Amino acid sequence: KQEVTQIPAALSVPEGENLVLNCSFTDSAIYNLQWFRQDPGKGLTSLLLIQSSQREQTSGRLNASLDKSSGRSTLYIAASQPGDSATYLCAVRHSNYQLIWGAGTKLIIKP
Amino acid sequence: GAVVSQHPSWVICKSGTSVKIECRSLDFQATTMFWYRQFPKQSLMLMATSNEGSKATYEQGVEKDKFLINHASLTLSTLTVTSAHPEDSSFYICSARGGSGGTNTGELFFGEGSRLTVL
Repeated sequence: KQEVTQIPAALSVPEGENLVLNCSFTDSAIYNLQWFRQDPGKGLTSLLLIQSSQREQTSGRLNASLDKSSGRSTLYIAASQPGDSATYLCAVRHSNYQLIWGAGTKLIIKP
Repeated sequence: GAVVSQHPSWVICKSGTSVKIECRSLDFQATTMFWYRQFPKQSLMLMATSNEGSKATYEQGVEKDKFLINHASLTLSTLTVTSAHPEDSSFYICSARGGSGGTNTGELFFGEGSRLTVL
């Protein structure tokens, strides 16, 4: 049974710092992995999608890596801003489209 | 990018009533949509997979007679919470698989969610 773990559960850093969020999964037979952002009381915003054959994806200040063999993905945020404050979720997908979610990392960027 | 619209964004209802939530893919056709539920401070949990023109597939522990799903067209899926009770109060989110020109990126696009409060 696939399990997805996100560490840390919460993180607070000063504005401007670079930071890394971690996501680990127990079953490496995934179709892809997706990082999302969730603002309080709102829906999800897809940040980055990494296919199983890819090693990383980049979008602006965000970079996500995938190491299937070790069951790990990281989301790197460069030059953090207060507007980056949100809960970040990773989800792995198997071929049947089912997504298995991590519990999320709550990120607070202090001005 | 692909857009998924969900309506209503929030609803308050009395216990025992039924509530319908709509999920629409605005600029693409979605043969498959997914419904999730999120309780406070918990992860999103898949409730069911909705396939256009056929019956939905429910996850274990989700009552299909209570959470009615209809996917009558390639752009619309509805979730009806029947005889809602306070324990059904939650954040419900739908998603649909994006893609264009026959390309399946595997990326899922999400609606903004519907917050249901049952009094």
